[in-house]
Amino acid sequence: DIQMTQSPSSLSASVGDRVTITCRASQGISNYLAWFQQKPGKAPKSLIYAASSLQSGVPSKFSGSGSGTEFTLTISRLQPEDLATYYCQQYNDYPQTFGGGTKVEIK
Amino acid sequence: EVQLVQSGAEVKKPGESLRISCKGLGYSFTSYWITWVRQMPGKGLEWMGKIDPSDSYTNYSPSFQGHVTISLDKPISTAYLQWSSLKASDTAMYYCARSPEGGGMDVWGQGTTVTVSS
Repeated sequence: DIQMTQSPSSLSASVGDRVTITCRASQGISNYLAWFQQKPGKAPKSLIYAASSLQSGVPSKFSGSGSGTEFTLTISRLQPEDLATYYCQQYNDYPQTFGGGTKVEIK
Repeated sequence: EVQLVQSGAEVKKPGESLRISCKGLGYSFTSYWITWVRQMPGKGLEWMGKIDPSDSYTNYSPSFQGHVTISLDKPISTAYLQWSSLKASDTAMYYCARSPEGGGMDVWGQGTTVTVSS
């Protein structure tokens, strides 16, 4: 199975900060990488697919980049409503696998 | 509006069987795979498997193969996740999600909580 490693596992940032989350794959996955946001007590929501394509309706403050084995999710101008856990997921190979998650807290 | 609507919370005893459902609304059900994802209490997301509604082809994670069955009823646009013999370790939230042809998951159901306890 392809292992997905996210870092950091948690972070605390101030409103207005730029936040970057990293996801590393144990082998190359081209750009078959998605990012999801899960707010407390809610179902996950798709943010990004194909490493850098924004899902319809997702604000442009979210952006993704990367290819191969290293990827990033960036939240520009962090807001209180961005409090959530963020997951990456590879869909290059089966079984598809998720990263362990990054919990984003607001200072 | 595109939605996936899941069945309600379940409380079962070990050894019992269970089937939970996921109904697709507002889109062509046969044009997108349905994926099932497990989230154990306080833990992350785990990919369980997926089914292609056009031909009922399934692909399971080895971690779940043989313990769950994914199926569907095309005429009512509904996918199912079922267990023949539940274990306490099956206690979790289960999500279905719509998977476009290119991969990933773009629309998620609200989740079904399954509690298995004697």
